[in-house]
Amino acid sequence: DAGITQSPRHKVTETGTPVTLRCHQTENHRYMYWYRQDPGHGLRLIHYSYGVKDTDKGEVSDGYSVSRSKTEDFLLTLESATSSQTSVYFCAISTLDWTSGRSLSSYNEQFFGPGTRLTVL
Amino acid sequence: QQQVKQSPQSLIVQKGGISIINCAYENTAFDYFPWYQQFPGKGPALLIAIRPDVSEKKEGRFTISFNKSAKQFSLHIMDSQPGDSATYFCAALNAGGTSYGKLTFGQGTILTVHP
Repeated sequence: DAGITQSPRHKVTETGTPVTLRCHQTENHRYMYWYRQDPGHGLRLIHYSYGVKDTDKGEVSDGYSVSRSKTEDFLLTLESATSSQTSVYFCAISTLDWTSGRSLSSYNEQFFGPGTRLTVL
Repeated sequence: QQQVKQSPQSLIVQKGGISIINCAYENTAFDYFPWYQQFPGKGPALLIAIRPDVSEKKEGRFTISFNKSAKQFSLHIMDSQPGDSATYFCAALNAGGTSYGKLTFGQGTILTVHP
């Protein structure tokens, strides 16, 4: 699993409570991503990071924030959880250097963590 | 909006048969098209990928066919096995600019291979 762990693996919480999910990598890669997986929608990008303290929004970022204070950890926070945020959350890392404008010449693999199943009641 | 559309949502085939999953994309800036395989309770894992300068890529029983003019690509699984039963996702990305490796995924196809 390319040295990616997610915690917790399962969580049940109530509407309105804050929730933080943690992604930890042992590979020292620069690029990290948070996706959510929902039936009929595939995986959708929430936020991503291209370095320590460098983050940006993805396709479905409303209601989520992230932080990356060190290379190995990427935290996803739901400030006030809602039932619509019930989902399976995956963290991923990219093993490549996505320097702006770089032309890729080989496979570009994203390694995914095992996921966190979050239920908001 | 969904920039990558995948079909069918589910697929049932008999052991030994051919499984075919199709994807269509809208963004002509996409230049890398991977397929991911996901087993229950696990994260997706890269299965095979193609760049648009070739029309077909084969790895074992898995083949990607790519039609740039139609903006479509498909995954063919030959001699499908029960162990291939999983959810399959197509994806796309634009390697240039400030994409930072962000993937756009299709909706997923649940494949069941009966023994």
